[in-house]
Amino acid sequence: AQKVTQAQTEISVVEKEDVTLDCVYETRDTTYYLFWYKQPPSGELVFLIRRNSFDEQNEISGRYSWNFQKSTSSFNFTITASQVVDSAVYFCALSAPNQGGKLIFGQGTELSVKP
Amino acid sequence: GAVVSQHPSRVICKSGTSVKIECRSLDFQATTMFWYRQFPKQSLMLMATSNEGSKATYEQGVEKDKFLINHASLTLSTLTVTSAHPEDSSFYICSARRARTVYEQYFGPGTRLTVT
Repeated sequence: AQKVTQAQTEISVVEKEDVTLDCVYETRDTTYYLFWYKQPPSGELVFLIRRNSFDEQNEISGRYSWNFQKSTSSFNFTITASQVVDSAVYFCALSAPNQGGKLIFGQGTELSVKP
Repeated sequence: GAVVSQHPSRVICKSGTSVKIECRSLDFQATTMFWYRQFPKQSLMLMATSNEGSKATYEQGVEKDKFLINHASLTLSTLTVTSAHPEDSSFYICSARRARTVYEQYFGPGTRLTVT
């Protein structure tokens, strides 16, 4: 069975702090994809990143960075120098071609960045 | 490119009535569309997978007679909530997977349904 766990339900930081959102996944598939989405109060999901299971390279995009480690089945997301606009719910998700490509979402982490 | 629209964005209906939500891929063909439901402060839960020209596949626990899904074309899928009740009030989100891809999935903006 596939499962995504985001153990942090809520995180509160002060602006300019760095924050890491944890994501641990379970799957028996050897080919799979991992995603991060941002959901602001409007509700619309914003795609942040996709990683396939064969690419463990870490990625940096501006203030965002992702650490994918297959050895620990983790795909953590770090925001550097957080800003108030980063306040949102962040979802980690898993998809496998063998499962029809449907997305399995984690429980989400609500990030609150205070001025 | 890769825009998915949903209509309506918000709907309020009386208990016992039916509501239809449309999901359209505006600039690409989508052989597969997914319907998710999200209750307040919760995650997205997949309700069903909709394939163009065939019957939808429902996740365990989702009543297929209550949530009717039609995917009649490569750009349109509809979800009809039949005989809606207050417990059906939720945020419904669709996503569309671009034809001939495995992972290119794009989300609509969601429809907030309130049943009174």
